[in-house]
Amino acid sequence: AQSVTQLGSHVSVSEGALVLLRCNYSSSVPPYLFWYVQYPNQGLQLLLKYTSAATLVKGINGFEAEFKKSETSFHLTKPSAHMSDAAEYFCAVTRTGGGNKLTFGTGTQLKVEL
Amino acid sequence: EAGVTQFPSHSVIEKGQTVTLRCDPISGHDNLYWYRRVMGKEIKFLLHFVKESKQDESGMPNNRFLAERTGGTYSTLKVQPAELEDSGVYFCASSQDGLYNEQFFGPGTRLTVL
Repeated sequence: AQSVTQLGSHVSVSEGALVLLRCNYSSSVPPYLFWYVQYPNQGLQLLLKYTSAATLVKGINGFEAEFKKSETSFHLTKPSAHMSDAAEYFCAVTRTGGGNKLTFGTGTQLKVEL
Repeated sequence: EAGVTQFPSHSVIEKGQTVTLRCDPISGHDNLYWYRRVMGKEIKFLLHFVKESKQDESGMPNNRFLAERTGGTYSTLKVQPAELEDSGVYFCASSQDGLYNEQFFGPGTRLTVL
């Protein structure tokens, strides 16, 4: 069985500050990990994915995430927050042979303040 | 190219009534997924179609839920009879064939059962 834990249901940062959204996973087989973002009244949009290639993954809008097997983590970071980054972020995991169905965390609402 | 569309965007029904949600995937996407998010909780997988066949329906809550995908194009998810605990946001996603291909999500249908 797989699971994802996102620490912090709400995170608030100042514009220009570092964004760090935490994700820890549990998987009995090598995982494949994703970060999605949901802006208000829109569907989920893929930010980035890890599929066993490079452990540091770069995504859209300046986001990146690092896969750390020893820590079972896949934290999302962005060096400098922008007001437009305010949204809800979801970490998800899937596995080989799982039909690509995603197991999601509970989401983190990011607020960016002036 | 049009994205994944879902109809209706909102539905408010009484307990015991029937509701049908529709999803139109991106043209050419053989894979279609349904997910649900109950308020405050994680997004959970419901089922996966490959063309018109149900590949995995392990996440369907009970037999009050019926999903179809006639002709391998659009899909419907019927809830009959609806219960209070069925309230939530129902997301549809589609993807091309292949491992870990991006799932493109629709904006969701918010279902409220009173």
